[in-house]
Order: sequence, then C-alpha cells, then structure tokens
Amino acid sequence: EVQLVESGGGLVQPGRSLRLSCAVSGFNIEEFAMHWARLVPGTGLEWVAGITWNSDNIHYADSVKGRFTISRDNDKKSLYLQMNSLRPEDTALYYCAKDLRPSYYFGAYYYYALDVWGQGTTVTVSS
Amino acid sequence: DIQLTQSPSSLAASVGDRVTITCQASQDIGNRLNWYQQKRGKAPKLLIYDASTLQAGVPAIFSGSGSGTDFTFIISSLQPEDFATYYCQVYDDVLLTFGQGTRLEIK
Repeated sequence: EVQLVESGGGLVQPGRSLRLSCAVSGFNIEEFAMHWARLVPGTGLEWVAGITWNSDNIHYADSVKGRFTISRDNDKKSLYLQMNSLRPEDTALYYCAKDLRPSYYFGAYYYYALDVWGQGTTVTVSS
Repeated sequence: DIQLTQSPSSLAASVGDRVTITCQASQDIGNRLNWYQQKRGKAPKLLIYDASTLQAGVPAIFSGSGSGTDFTFIISSLQPEDFATYYCQVYDDVLLTFGQGTRLEIK
C-alpha cells in the first residue's frame, strides 16, 4: 500500500523554526518528484515546494522562498521541509505528496499533479 | 505566474443533480489542468489530470474538459459522498498553482 506519513508539526512562535518529515512506503521514492503543499484555513490549498527525484531541481512558492528548504533522502525513503522565520500566515495543515509521473516520463515539465497525499501535520505559528 | 479563477466559489445542490464547475486560466495553458476533491478532514484526492483524463479508480460520474484558458469539471449525478471542496490546479514550468476552490454543499 502506498503511504505517506508526515510528522513534526506543532505550535511555534513567530520567527522560530520547525522541521517537517514525511516517511514514504509502498513505492520507489527515487522514481518520483515529491512535494509539500498546505491547506491554509479560510484560503484553500497552496503548493509550497517541489523537488525532483535526484534533488537536482528544487522550486518554491514565492510565499516561502528564502525561508523554507525542501530536501529528500531516498535511502531513508523520506522527504523533509525545514521552515525558518515562521510567520502567522504559515499556519496551515502541511501535506507531503507524490508527483503523478515518474522521472523517466518524457515530458517538458518538472512537476505535473499530486496523486498520493499524506494525512497532514498541523503547524500553528502564534505567540 | 499563471492565475486560476474558479467559479462558483460555493454551490448548493441536491443528490442526483448535475454540477458544473469552471476554471479559467490567466493565459493559455494547453491541457495542463488537474482537478482535486477534498472532503472535510481528509487529504485531497486527484480526480482528473491533463484536463480530461480520469485518474485510476475514480468513478466516471466525474469528467473534465477544456483547453487553452477555459476548463469545465462536471459531476453528472451527485452522490451523498461527493459533497466536498473541489480545486483546479495548473502545472507550469517550475510551479504548481491551485484555484481558490469550490465548496459544494447540500441544498
């Protein structure tokens, strides 16, 4: 069974840091780009960051660029999100997600769709 | 960056109704448009990718169409389990962008 399990969320003060982790099972993580997305209360879904299968290409939403860092360890079957300089507007339910298409798909884009999601971990930024 | 505008933002309908949601892109995106369903307290679920391809295991009461800037998502006959929030999403260059969502409620 394909499964993604996030951890590391919690309550944190503005300006502080938090590191999220995502443990993957049931598929070969090294074949797929991976993502973090978030569900912001009252706003909706927002893509946060993506990383290609070999970590050669990494991209961020403008809202987190320079503050968040996505990384992966294929040997450990894990995805990470280091969140620094957190702001109240970063409060959200954070999801780890797998990209639809494998690395050997001959396409023009790095990322396509998010076909498998974890259940999410909640991050609350408040003093 | 490409912007997506979903309509309507909310919708009340009854079981058995045919429901249509639209998504308009700020520029030509070909068929690079996906649709998701999110039920309360659950993770989002990919329903349709590349504008009209049904994801494996998704029932055929869901369908998508369109290309360029205008896209349509249809539920042909609403079931009780279909009341949820629906999002469109575009993939472009190095970004993914979601629409603001359509909340589908019971009338």
